[in-house]
Amino acid sequence: SQQGEEDPQALSIQEGENATMNCSYKTSINNLQWYRQNSGRGLVHLILIRSNEREKHSGRLRVTLDTSKKSSSLLITASRAADTASYFCATATGGGNKLTFGTGTQLKVEL
Amino acid sequence: NAGVMQNPRHLVRRRGQEARLRCSPMKGHSHVYWYRQLPEEGLKFMVYLQKENIIDESGMPKERFSAEFPKEGPSILRIQQVVRGDSAAYFCASSEGQGVTEAFFGQGTRLTVV
Repeated sequence: SQQGEEDPQALSIQEGENATMNCSYKTSINNLQWYRQNSGRGLVHLILIRSNEREKHSGRLRVTLDTSKKSSSLLITASRAADTASYFCATATGGGNKLTFGTGTQLKVEL
Repeated sequence: NAGVMQNPRHLVRRRGQEARLRCSPMKGHSHVYWYRQLPEEGLKFMVYLQKENIIDESGMPKERFSAEFPKEGPSILRIQQVVRGDSAAYFCASSEGQGVTEAFFGQGTRLTVV
């Protein structure tokens, strides 16, 4: 798999349900970040988790990081129609903040 | 504090013309990154710049593409003699510095080559 590959590629759920997206990567990282992109728009930063952290929360978002398995998950609880978007994980390695993005998960939340 | 500003939002160029994409980072940010996104794909890193310096251009095509971040003014991504395959969304991000810092993205410039 690529560095920062999301699974599933697409996810369709009902409003109020939880959505879980997974990301796998190959090399050692400094941190892993999750972004949201609405159709045709720029990226919105959601959450950053450092390599020495295992779990992080922000509002309805919960991110986990397992460096031994080189994987991360993003959980969106009590989803809303406005959460419909593409979600990308991105890994930062080495110096600077150069990010390697995955191919993204397209989430659709239906009323 | 305005976010990362990119212009133009949309750019149409004929094959063989030049495209200039501009990016003004967030106030106080001295690190700029350019990414390219093809339809239905994730973003691909192109180049990382600090003021007056190119730090990492490993993702930039060797020919026709260049980038600069002058002491004054925005960062510029320049594509000479554009071809249809250059059609994509180009995103700029900025951050305060190196290490574990958040990168903020602009809205992107959508380049269409006709």
